[in-house]
Amino acid sequence: QKEVEQNSGPLSVPEGAIASLNCTYSDRGSQSFFWYRQYSGKSPELIMFIYSNGDKEDGRFTAQLNKASQYVSLLIRDSQPSDSATYLCAPSSGGSYIPTFGRGTSLIVHP
Amino acid sequence: DAGVIQSPRHEVTEMGQEVTLRCKPISGHNSLFWYRQTMMRGLELLIYFNNNVPIDDSGMPEDRFSAKMPNASFSTLKIQPSEPRDSAVYFCASSSLVTRGNEQFFGPGTRLTVL
Repeated sequence: QKEVEQNSGPLSVPEGAIASLNCTYSDRGSQSFFWYRQYSGKSPELIMFIYSNGDKEDGRFTAQLNKASQYVSLLIRDSQPSDSATYLCAPSSGGSYIPTFGRGTSLIVHP
Repeated sequence: DAGVIQSPRHEVTEMGQEVTLRCKPISGHNSLFWYRQTMMRGLELLIYFNNNVPIDDSGMPEDRFSAKMPNASFSTLKIQPSEPRDSAVYFCASSSLVTRGNEQFFGPGTRLTVL
């Protein structure tokens, strides 16, 4: 059973702050790690993926991966109210590359 | 590109009725996924196809659920008979290939309510 754990939140941060979203996973065979953003009432959309240990930066977003600890995180710098959404962590195992989704962390960025 | 198209967007039906959800993937994508999302269970993969062939249907909850992909541009998910616990948002997603780092593009979803 592949498990993906995320704090459901809500995580509330002030505008301009750094939001830190965390995820742990049980499948040691996981090789690719996706972060999807889902606005209320909308469908998920990919914002980041990472498959090497360390950090990957894309604009205001940084994904961090530590395979030894089975931990992946997403940092959002200079958080904006438009970042308010649910963030889904989705590791995929090496054999299938099919992601297993966590239940997501709700982020609220207040002005 | 129009993106992944799903129909209907909303469906309200009574218990015991047959429900058919439809999906048109992005042109050129050869992998298609059906997901179900509920508050209790989150986003669950039901089944996925590669090149119109079902690869893994282990997520299909019961025999009441069936999915087909008769061609590269169309797929259906059928529930017969429907039950109130099937109420959820059903997403279809497509990707160009199931490879490391490959992005899935989600449709807008079908919100199903079974009374």
